[in-house]
Amino acid sequence: TQLLEQSPQFLSIQEGENLTVYCNSSSVFSSLQWYRQEPGEGPVLLVTVVTGGEVKKLKRLTFQFGDARKDSSLHITAAQPGDTGLYLCAGGSGYSTLTFGKGTMLLVSP
Amino acid sequence: SQTIHQWPATLVQPVGSPLSLECTVEGTSNPNLYWYRQAAGRGLQLLFYSVGIGQISSEVPQNLSASRPQDRQFILSSKKLLLSDSGFYLCAWSRSSRGEQYFGPGTRLTVT
Repeated sequence: TQLLEQSPQFLSIQEGENLTVYCNSSSVFSSLQWYRQEPGEGPVLLVTVVTGGEVKKLKRLTFQFGDARKDSSLHITAAQPGDTGLYLCAGGSGYSTLTFGKGTMLLVSP
Repeated sequence: SQTIHQWPATLVQPVGSPLSLECTVEGTSNPNLYWYRQAAGRGLQLLFYSVGIGQISSEVPQNLSASRPQDRQFILSSKKLLLSDSGFYLCAWSRSSRGEQYFGPGTRLTVT
């Protein structure tokens, strides 16, 4: 059974701070997705990484896939209240389903 | 562009009553379709997925069932709801070999 562990589970910071959240597994994934979910809404896909060591940037968000394709990180620079939400990582293995982590709840206060 | 619809948005049902949640996708054909349940704003529990009409895979044994009567329609049902069925139900679709999934707006179900 493949598992994805996300840390921290909860993060509360002030506007303007930087942060990093992590997604780790003992299994190799062929792809890794990050989603953000706001309260009462469905998750929204942010990015997909597929190559070991790959780095992708989306404005103030930087995503990295580990060299061995077992882990990933999401770094947010100068966090804003609009970044508040549940961040979920999900790993794909070429099958029809994804393995989801339990998420990191981020609260950014003004 | 593709869109995914779920209804109803919210539902309050008594214990023992039946359930029917519907999900439809527009703008694509032969998608993979998924039903998830999410408790307390945390991780997603995969309930059912379908790779084609009439093909349903169940991930968690329980009193829920799913059907796919048309290519872009996915229905989640129950004959008798339990208190433990309360939660946020999400439908998703995928057509990518990399597995990216696109979620609907969700249905908040409260069983009283």
